[in-house]
Amino acid sequence: EVQLLDSGGGLAQPGGSLRLSCAASGFTYINYVMSWVRQAPGKGLQCVSSISGSGSSTYYADSVKGRFTISRDNSKNTVFLQMKSLRAEDTAIYYCVKDFYNGDYGTVFDHWGQGTLVTVSA
Amino acid sequence: DIQMTQSPSSLSASVGDRVTITCQASQDIRNYLNWYQQKPGKAPKLLIYDTSNLKTGVPSRFSGSGSATDFTFTISSLQPEDIATYYCQQYKKLPVTFGGGTKVEIK
Repeated sequence: EVQLLDSGGGLAQPGGSLRLSCAASGFTYINYVMSWVRQAPGKGLQCVSSISGSGSSTYYADSVKGRFTISRDNSKNTVFLQMKSLRAEDTAIYYCVKDFYNGDYGTVFDHWGQGTLVTVSA
Repeated sequence: DIQMTQSPSSLSASVGDRVTITCQASQDIRNYLNWYQQKPGKAPKLLIYDTSNLKTGVPSRFSGSGSATDFTFTISSLQPEDIATYYCQQYKKLPVTFGGGTKVEIK
């Protein structure tokens, strides 16, 4: 059974940093793109970042480019999202997501973690 | 960016009713269109991928169709457990984009 356990959310001040983690199990981790999809309170869905199975390809939404960094440790089946220079508009639930396909970026968001809440406020 | 326009934004229907949601893309996305269900307080779940493929384990009352710019999601017989918000999503071109969602309620 696929399991994604995301963690690391919390309260950060504007300009601050947080690091999200997602521990995966139940599938051949290296074979799949992993993504972070966020949902602001009462709003829709946005894919903020993706990373290919090997880690050689990454994608960032324009709104987070230069501030967020995605990485993965295939020896520990874990994906990370380092978030810096946080802004109030980054406030959202962040979901770790496994892709259906083995490509270069997120396409079909097959399995979702339970989500971790990031709040950016002074 | 490719804009995904869902309609209606909300609907109310009776148990057993046929429910249809449409999703229109701002440009041709071929069949690169997925549908997700999100129940209150929960993470989204993939229901249908590549326009019409039902994910394993998803009840057959859910279906999808369409091509190019116009797509349809159907619940053939609405059940109480189908109360949720449904989202379409394209992946023809980066950035992948989602529709604004359709909230389905029981009348």
